[in-house]
Amino acid sequence: DGGITQSPKYLFRKEGQNVTLSCEQNLNHDAMYWYRQDPGQGLRLIYYSQIVNDFQKGDIAEGYSVSREKKESFPLTVTSAQKNPTAFYLCASRGQGDNEQFFGPGTRLTVL
Amino acid sequence: AQRVTQPEKLLSVFKGAPVELKCNYSYSGSPELFWYVQYSRQRLQLLLRHISRESIKGFTADLNKGETSFHLKKPFAQEEDSAMYYCALSAMDSSYKLIFGSGTRLLVRP
Repeated sequence: DGGITQSPKYLFRKEGQNVTLSCEQNLNHDAMYWYRQDPGQGLRLIYYSQIVNDFQKGDIAEGYSVSREKKESFPLTVTSAQKNPTAFYLCASRGQGDNEQFFGPGTRLTVL
Repeated sequence: AQRVTQPEKLLSVFKGAPVELKCNYSYSGSPELFWYVQYSRQRLQLLLRHISRESIKGFTADLNKGETSFHLKKPFAQEEDSAMYYCALSAMDSSYKLIFGSGTRLLVRP
């Protein structure tokens, strides 16, 4: 089954803890993206990666970190420095030469 | 500034009525415009894009560069059209990131 998977579906975190959200794709896409979705605000870009071992900050990167060691994987770490981490996080990927992005099912993070 | 504006948070219509979801954008250049849809308990998925000029599930959208708009239309709404709709533009730079509007929830009543 091809596509993008995200895990876990739901994640609960205590204040002060770092958590890592997983994103895997088997579409052989070079580019991957992380967005944050908040009610009434649409989606906002956190980080993106165009190629393995390279990534760039998006519009709201503060308090987040990423890595891109493999083409298939683009994990997102929400650090304790993120002031308002409770949100729905979406991962996406894009094939070369096309602007369409394909989205994963998302991870809902709640800070307790 | 790059921006996508969807002025309606909620649009409620009866089954069979025409639907128009508004989208305006500001971008210095010629962006590519998209409509994405998120049905209940499903992932965000592409509905249509302006360069393909296709009609998907009866929906159409025409890019009006003069008015910088990309409104989504359907002549006869169906209950299964109820969903969250997002208008987005693709930044035509090296990132190809998507810039999203805040979304419009379409509710089609029986």
